[in-house]
This record gives sequence, C-alpha cells and structure tokens, in this order.
Amino acid sequence: DIQMTQSPSTLSASVGDRVTITCRASQSISSWLAWYQQKPGKAPKFLIYKASSLESGVPSRFSGSGSGTEFTLTISSLQPDDFATYYCQQYNSYPLTFGQGTKLEIK
Amino acid sequence: EVQLVESGGGLVQPGGSLRLSCAASGFTFSSYWMSWVRQAPGKGLEWVANVKQDGSEEYYVDSVKGRFTISRDNAKNSLYLQVNSLRAEDTAVYYCATSRGWRDAFDIWGQGTMVTVSS
Repeated sequence: DIQMTQSPSTLSASVGDRVTITCRASQSISSWLAWYQQKPGKAPKFLIYKASSLESGVPSRFSGSGSGTEFTLTISSLQPDDFATYYCQQYNSYPLTFGQGTKLEIK
Repeated sequence: EVQLVESGGGLVQPGGSLRLSCAASGFTFSSYWMSWVRQAPGKGLEWVANVKQDGSEEYYVDSVKGRFTISRDNAKNSLYLQVNSLRAEDTAVYYCATSRGWRDAFDIWGQGTMVTVSS
C-alpha cells in the first residue's frame, strides 16, 4: 500500500499569511494526487487534481505542485474561510489512500 | 443541482449488518465510478470501496474484503454498500463520492451517514 504522510499535522497562521502543506508518498505516484478541504461536520470539498490542476470554482489563491513522491498545497493569502483540515489523496494504485490531514488553525 | 444523499446508517451491534444507500441526482450517474469513503470519529478519511460505471469491476480496502459489498443500480441512480459482520472499528461516517475514472479524484461528495457499532 502507498502511505501518504502530511506535514505539519497542525499549522497556526493568520489571515493574509502564505501557507504551504506538504504531502509525501511512500513510492512514486506520478501526478495522481488530489487535495481536499474539510470543515467540522461537513463532507470534504474537492480542490485540486493531478497534483496541480485547480477544480472549477476553487479560488486561485489555492495552488498545488509536485510529482513523484513530494507534493505541496499552497494558499497564497489566507482568508477566514480557509481555516479547515486539508487532506491529500493518491489515486495511482489500489488501495486509494489519504494523508492523515493537516489542521489549519487561526493564530 | 448535483447531489448525493446517503441513508441507512444507524446503531448496530457487533456482528450485525446494514445496507447503506446513496441516491444521486443532477448528473449522469451511469457515467461515473462510485466510491464509499469513511471517517471514524475524530480521524482521517479512508477509502472503502469503489465500483465501475457498469458494475463490472469492484475494489475494496483489505480491512473490509469479504464483509462489505458495493453495488449500484443505474436505473435507480443509486449506490449501495452492504456491510456485514460489523466491528467496533467500522464505526464511522460513510460518504459516497463520484469520480470520472478509477484513476481520478473524488469530485462530488454526499453529506454522509453515520454507522455506530456498539453493544
């Protein structure tokens, strides 16, 4: 199974900050990576596919990069609505697996 | 409006069974792979199973193989998950989600249905 490891597990930041979340795969997954945002009590929201392609309707302050085993999600200027938990997910091979999540908190 | 609505969750004793359902609307259900993804209380997301558009292929995470069965009825725009031999560790919110291919992200999610396994 491919293990997905996110860092940090928790990130404290302020509105307007630029933040980066890292996701590492235990083996190469090419660019078969997605990012999701989840708020408490809600379903995940799809943000990015193929490591760097922004889903329609997602604000342009979100961006993704990477390939192989190392990936990043960057939010260029944090907005109040962005404080949530973020998950990466690989869809290179079965079983499909998620990272453990990164909780983005208000500093 | 594109929508997935899960139902069928509840409280069940260890060893018991449930059938979860997911009703789709607002899109061409038969064109999408469908998955179940679960989330234990306070934990992260775990993919459980998926099924191809025509139902001809199914895949499962090892921990549920032989106990859970995914199926779909394209005529009813519905996805199902039969969950048998339930264990405490199956306690979770179960979400259904779509993807255009198996090698694709989950682009539409339902609101989830809670399954609690406890005596």
